[in-house]
Amino acid sequence: GAVVSQHPSRVICKSGTSVKIECRSLDFQATTMFWYRQFPKKSLMLMATSNEGSKATYEQGVEKDKFLINHASLTLSTLTVTSAHPEDSSFYICSTSRASGSNEQFFGPGTRLTVL
Amino acid sequence: ELKVEQNPLFLSMQEGKNYTIYCNYSTTSDRLYWYRQDPGKSLESLFVLLSNGAVKQEGRLMASLDTKARLSTLHITAAVHDLSATYFCAVDHSYSGNTPLVFGKGTRLSVIA
Repeated sequence: GAVVSQHPSRVICKSGTSVKIECRSLDFQATTMFWYRQFPKKSLMLMATSNEGSKATYEQGVEKDKFLINHASLTLSTLTVTSAHPEDSSFYICSTSRASGSNEQFFGPGTRLTVL
Repeated sequence: ELKVEQNPLFLSMQEGKNYTIYCNYSTTSDRLYWYRQDPGKSLESLFVLLSNGAVKQEGRLMASLDTKARLSTLHITAAVHDLSATYFCAVDHSYSGNTPLVFGKGTRLSVIA
């Protein structure tokens, strides 16, 4: 069964609104989760590392005030796209791995965001 | 900066033929991952290669890892249409515990009759 879930799977919103995406680790506690963004026909690009109980770490070029990350529990991380614009339209995918072992990442099913 | 390069980026092959996708990376990592992505879907884990010389096979796909050459290959045997998808290789961003992955650009495979 699924190890990581995301909600919603698809969202369409108007420009200027904020959208929250949830990522849940279903099988194990995840102190660290990762958020990726994928534009059409492109590869996955890491946006930020979500750390339970502390601030997220953002990759260069990713605006922390625009992409708010909250990791309030060991099984849930949320990504909020604030004041979304059409250029934020993308496929957002989260992942995590077990603390020990191979670092095999388990990816969520993704959230397709379309900003009109 | 860690780089992961795949080639080819596009591959159109006939059913029944064999082909290899190559993945070169710039780090000294001894762990490499292969994923499959279907259109509109997330990533599906295919192989986790954890050491030099590792070889894994699943159906018509076989992956190998040469850490000395910093090269992994994904070999397709007797391709069928169902294998049409985009294939990504990825390596660990760092060596510490739960770390994100750095992905290649992906190889878009189209298997035609």
